[in-house]
Amino acid sequence: GAGVSQTPSNKVTEKGKYVELRCDPISGHTALYWYRQSLGQGPEFLIYFQGTGAADDSGLPNDRFFAVRPEGSVSTLKIQRTERGDSAVYLCASSLGLGAGEETQYFGPGTRLLVL
Amino acid sequence: AQKITQTQPGMFVQEKEAVTLDCTYDTSDPSYGLFWYKQPSSGEMIFLIYQGSYDQQNATEGRYSLNFQKARKSANLVISASQLGDSAMYFCAMRGFTSGTYKYIFGTGTRLKVLA
Repeated sequence: GAGVSQTPSNKVTEKGKYVELRCDPISGHTALYWYRQSLGQGPEFLIYFQGTGAADDSGLPNDRFFAVRPEGSVSTLKIQRTERGDSAVYLCASSLGLGAGEETQYFGPGTRLLVL
Repeated sequence: AQKITQTQPGMFVQEKEAVTLDCTYDTSDPSYGLFWYKQPSSGEMIFLIYQGSYDQQNATEGRYSLNFQKARKSANLVISASQLGDSAMYFCAMRGFTSGTYKYIFGTGTRLKVLA
């Protein structure tokens, strides 16, 4: 079946602009995660959803970052007033659920964001 | 707080030899899961192997095995019969089950280079 997909694959924007990054999880996966990965680093947790609700958004760096998952499937990560420091690869992952045996995450290819 | 430590920024191994990638962790959660992911130069994170903290046996998955030593809080990945295609970044990750949040913590990764 289809894996996790993310669009766009690359996004170049100017400082101060608004961007939206989309994630389409594996069908039937109820949990969805967003990560940010800077060059040479491991993925850094941002937020995760169980169904439609954000269960833990403690990794969002500030209030310029926001994510939604209105129907429990596709999620959008929104970044307002982008800054050069937001440049990174944004990874999305989904898992069947959150319980034992369901928690293995499968990642999308990422969106490479460059803020000029 | 949870923490993953990968102390080997880079490793070399000769083709067909075995290699061990180190991972130590810290958590106060009595129940947790440990994961290894591979990230080739293409960027996509590929799930390799999982170990639950209460699993009695070390996990194995093809050429991958996890050397889990709970008392030492280590979860080293062993790759047997290395292949050129194994050259990639490898990340160790952890998730707790009882701490009230299901976010994952990743290490900084180890870059493995397989030599012909």
